[in-house]
Amino acid sequence: ETGVTQSPTHLIKTRGQQVTLRCSSQSGHNTVSWYQQALGQGPQFIFQYYREEENGRGNFPPRFSGLQFPNYSSELNVNALELDDSALYLCASSRGLAGGSSYEQYFGPGTRLTVT
Amino acid sequence: AQTVTQSQPEMSVQEAETVTLSCTYDTSESDYYLFWYKQPPSRQMILVIRQEAYKQQNATENRFSVNFQKAAKSFSLKISDSQLGDAAMYFCAYRRRAGTASKLTFGTGTRLQVTL
Repeated sequence: ETGVTQSPTHLIKTRGQQVTLRCSSQSGHNTVSWYQQALGQGPQFIFQYYREEENGRGNFPPRFSGLQFPNYSSELNVNALELDDSALYLCASSRGLAGGSSYEQYFGPGTRLTVT
Repeated sequence: AQTVTQSQPEMSVQEAETVTLSCTYDTSESDYYLFWYKQPPSRQMILVIRQEAYKQQNATENRFSVNFQKAAKSFSLKISDSQLGDAAMYFCAYRRRAGTASKLTFGTGTRLQVTL
């Protein structure tokens, strides 16, 4: 069984640029959630995709957007990068949305984004 | 809105000893899950233990156990026979059980050091 993978591992961008981060979900998982983890903080929920539709969003501006593809992999896009966007971006996949304990979220290793 | 508070930024324990990490949370929901995640320097968030709020019995996973006090909204993690590999950031997290709100709400984390 393949776990959650993310690419790239590290990325350096300049303020004002746009960035795309990628996530491949674990086999059999159809839900992907994205989290932003600033240095020294806990992860903050950005949004979630279920069967290619956005299903819940945290307190992030519209310049944070995403996509989910038919194979359930996902992209996180951030436009007009700001210095405060520097963080570790984590992707997590799960088998569905239901509240059952079997629908655990499994995390990828993250992408470290630095905005200069 | 749900909040999770970890009041211990750092903890230290000697190898083979026992340590307890604290977590409190606030929610108006009656049915939810609580989690402890471990994040080693490799950055990948690893699920340590899960507690379902409707279960009175405290969860245990090998050397890891929790003390879940629902009325007090307290959820502490006890690590017995600490090992060098336990050194990491530990995050307490909350998730609603019902509906499609499967996002995780994290605390700010506790850095655990394990000494010889």
